[in-house]
Amino acid sequence: AQSVSQHNHHVILSEAASLELGCNYSYGGTVNLFWYVQYPGQHLQLLLKYFSGDPLVKGIKGFEAEFIKSKFSFNLRKPSVQWSDTAEYFCAVNARAGGSYIPTFGRGTSLIVHP
Amino acid sequence: DGGITQSPKYLFRKEGQNVTLSCEQNLNHDAMYWYRQDPGQGLRLIYYSQIVNDFQKGDIAEGYSVSREKKESFPLTVTSAQKNPTAFYLCASSPRWMNTEAFFGQGTRLTVV
Repeated sequence: AQSVSQHNHHVILSEAASLELGCNYSYGGTVNLFWYVQYPGQHLQLLLKYFSGDPLVKGIKGFEAEFIKSKFSFNLRKPSVQWSDTAEYFCAVNARAGGSYIPTFGRGTSLIVHP
Repeated sequence: DGGITQSPKYLFRKEGQNVTLSCEQNLNHDAMYWYRQDPGQGLRLIYYSQIVNDFQKGDIAEGYSVSREKKESFPLTVTSAQKNPTAFYLCASSPRWMNTEAFFGQGTRLTVV
């Protein structure tokens, strides 16, 4: 079965610090990877996704992620965080199920950015 | 506006009572999902449905039931058999045959009192 592991459960940073959140997945076939973000009081929304091609994916609000197939990783990065990046971040993979795709999530990382 | 609507936003239930959470979407998606979100545990799949009149158990289906009588609607019932029902519940949808992202509602916070 496909699974997703996120290594950092709680991260606290000051504004302008760099961010990297780890994500590893287990799946032997073609994989599509996602990062979702949940801002306080808001619904879960897509931050970025990787399907194929350039392994460096750029998303909204200056976030990017790098797909490293040999390491089964899809780490999220941002060079300089802002207070408004305070949120919960989820890495996800779509697991195959009878021809359909079921979103499967990691445990999430709570990011707090101090002004 | 296309999207997913969950209601109510907050729900209180007495122990031993069943309660139904509503989820409606107007995105014309075939697939719909229910997740439970607990601190430090991420999103765990309760049930999913890929087509009308069909649904499958997810990883933590015990104590829950669903129905899918219409494409737009996928209500979740939390029964009295669910031992620890207090949680945040998220409904999502996606196109069935496309390996793409899911779209989420605002969630329902259920508290058992």
